[in-house]
Amino acid sequence: SQQGEEDPQALSIQEGENATMNCSYKTSINNLQWYRQNSGRGLVHLILIRSNEREKHSGRLRVTLDTSKKSSSLLITASRAADTASYFCATRNSGGSNYKLTFGKGTLLTVNP
Amino acid sequence: GAGVSQTPSNKVTEKGKYVELRCDPISGHTALYWYRQSLGQGPEFLIYFQGTGAADDSGLPNDRFFAVRPEGSVSTLKIQRTERGDSAVYLCASSLGSVLETQYFGPGTRLLVL
Repeated sequence: SQQGEEDPQALSIQEGENATMNCSYKTSINNLQWYRQNSGRGLVHLILIRSNEREKHSGRLRVTLDTSKKSSSLLITASRAADTASYFCATRNSGGSNYKLTFGKGTLLTVNP
Repeated sequence: GAGVSQTPSNKVTEKGKYVELRCDPISGHTALYWYRQSLGQGPEFLIYFQGTGAADDSGLPNDRFFAVRPEGSVSTLKIQRTERGDSAVYLCASSLGSVLETQYFGPGTRLLVL
């Protein structure tokens, strides 16, 4: 079953603008990760944020986590056409079965040149 | 170093046929995972191997699906009597020993059952 739910489902912006994607989940988590997928194939790991962290940065990426609201956001600053892809959040539960990732349906980001 | 590799990239088969999908994990990664991704959806967990044994196969949809990892490295996902609903991208991932390590995904095998 899908736990993470991303919104929006699709986002179209101009190059240079910032893109914000949100993710909500339902259970207690150990960590939350964001992945990127081009053309429906392999997933590329972007960033991991642990349940005791509130914010994390990596290059042009900024991730926040609010465990009280069970939500996370991914911000891509100064977007480029090459950022066009689908973005997925994935959670890892804090209890049993903590080895598996539970993905949302993803946000399709289109960055127009 | 080399990432996770999967073969074939694409597989077209007819309903009722048997297929095998192969995954080569990153060298030294003891944990291996299979996921299935249907069109417009996120990946869904199928099975997890720690070493040679399947630690959790609860995500396999039915007994037509089976996976092995006999030497603790390469894994094969086997689907018997394929159905059109099995059409999807099958993704393999691997990680170092700890279950909390990052999972690195392969490019996937796109299976189409006609």
